[in-house]
Amino acid sequence: DGGITQSPKYLFRKEGQNVTLSCEQNLNHDAMYWYRQDPGQGLRLIYYSQIVNDFQKGDIAEGYSVSREKKESFPLTVTSAQKNPTAFYLCASREMVFGYTFGSGTRLTVV
Amino acid sequence: QKEVEQNSGPLSVPEGAIASLNCTYSDRGSQSFFWYRQYSGKSPELIMFIYSNGDKEDGRFTAQLNKASQYVSLLIRDSQPSDSATYLCAVIPSNTGKLIFGQGTTLQVKP
Repeated sequence: DGGITQSPKYLFRKEGQNVTLSCEQNLNHDAMYWYRQDPGQGLRLIYYSQIVNDFQKGDIAEGYSVSREKKESFPLTVTSAQKNPTAFYLCASREMVFGYTFGSGTRLTVV
Repeated sequence: QKEVEQNSGPLSVPEGAIASLNCTYSDRGSQSFFWYRQYSGKSPELIMFIYSNGDKEDGRFTAQLNKASQYVSLLIRDSQPSDSATYLCAVIPSNTGKLIFGQGTTLQVKP
């Protein structure tokens, strides 16, 4: 089945630690996106990539980094510079006409 | 002004009633509009998309778009308790590859 796989489902980060969230898709979609969702809030765009080896900052990119070396993969690194990383992180990919497909999300907690 | 605005609710309707969810957007050149449903702790799922002025119906759901008023709405007929969720309006502003979300409206359907 085609879809987007995010891992891990739950992730715990210590203060000052970098962590990487995985996002893989087998939908052959060109564009991929990372969003952050805080409790009771909508989704805020962190980074997006419309083609391999290219990506752009979204509205809240500070403290995050991404890479897009393969069409199928768009990992997100939450760096120690992100002071409030506890949130629900969602990866999505886009088909040109019918909108975005989301992964099941990664819940990150600082311990 | 936020790019996409929704009333956070909660909107409470009795079972069998029509639920009306509203959304306004700021970029007059926006071309693509989406409604997502999100259950607590889950990722959003696409329920409707609309590109042209007017109404688009799919089962119990009707999306309405008025580009002159920069307004998009979602009607849910014969509301069921299983429709209780947060409904997210999302817009692709002109000349961007970004999907921008509103903060979501929580719908409660009471048996």
